[in-house]
Amino acid sequence: GQNIDQPTEMTATEGAIVQINCTYQTSGFNGLFWYQQHAGEAPTFLSYNVLDGLEEKGRFSSFLSRSKGYSYLLLKELQMKDSASYLCAVMDSNYQLIWGAGTKLIIKP
Amino acid sequence: IAGITQAPTSQILAAGRRMTLRCTQDMRHNAMYWYRQDLGLGLRLIHYSNTAGTTGKGEVPDGYSVSRANTDDFPLTLASAVPSQTSVYFCASSPGTGAHTGELFFGEGSRLTVL
Repeated sequence: GQNIDQPTEMTATEGAIVQINCTYQTSGFNGLFWYQQHAGEAPTFLSYNVLDGLEEKGRFSSFLSRSKGYSYLLLKELQMKDSASYLCAVMDSNYQLIWGAGTKLIIKP
Repeated sequence: IAGITQAPTSQILAAGRRMTLRCTQDMRHNAMYWYRQDLGLGLRLIHYSNTAGTTGKGEVPDGYSVSRANTDDFPLTLASAVPSQTSVYFCASSPGTGAHTGELFFGEGSRLTVL
């Protein structure tokens, strides 16, 4: 079966760096996506990786290793507004998105 | 303001009743999707439409139906609601093709409670 694993919850301190991991097993691979979802709100697109390596976008970076079935989202200079759930999703060979359950990130002052 | 509009935002419904969740987008996106989100589970695809006039079944289609008469509208109907359909429902659209259909724009969600 297809599976996306990510930690349920993480806690970090304002101003620090946090890495949210995602491992996947899917039928084929057409890219990995990260979304941010604040409580009670809709998910919003953060990043897309299809090739191995690091993609940087401001304070957020996303890394992919296709051979290891692994990605991480790196958040630097954490701000209180970064408190949210972060969803990892993989597009399989049928161009269907398979979603992880999300990682709830709690930022403490 | 361009985007996706869902209605209603919240609804309490008696089991056995019929309910339609509305979704309208003004971005002229070809692909549209309905997801449900439940605590502890990832987003699960109910139905999708790659273009007006076509629809397809997702991971959890039973008890739901959709139609896509035009580009902008993609309503989701529960023919006879059951308590297990209590969930938050998100409509989404995508401008891309192929792998870029993973870049989704979501509506604000419809919280449905079936008693």
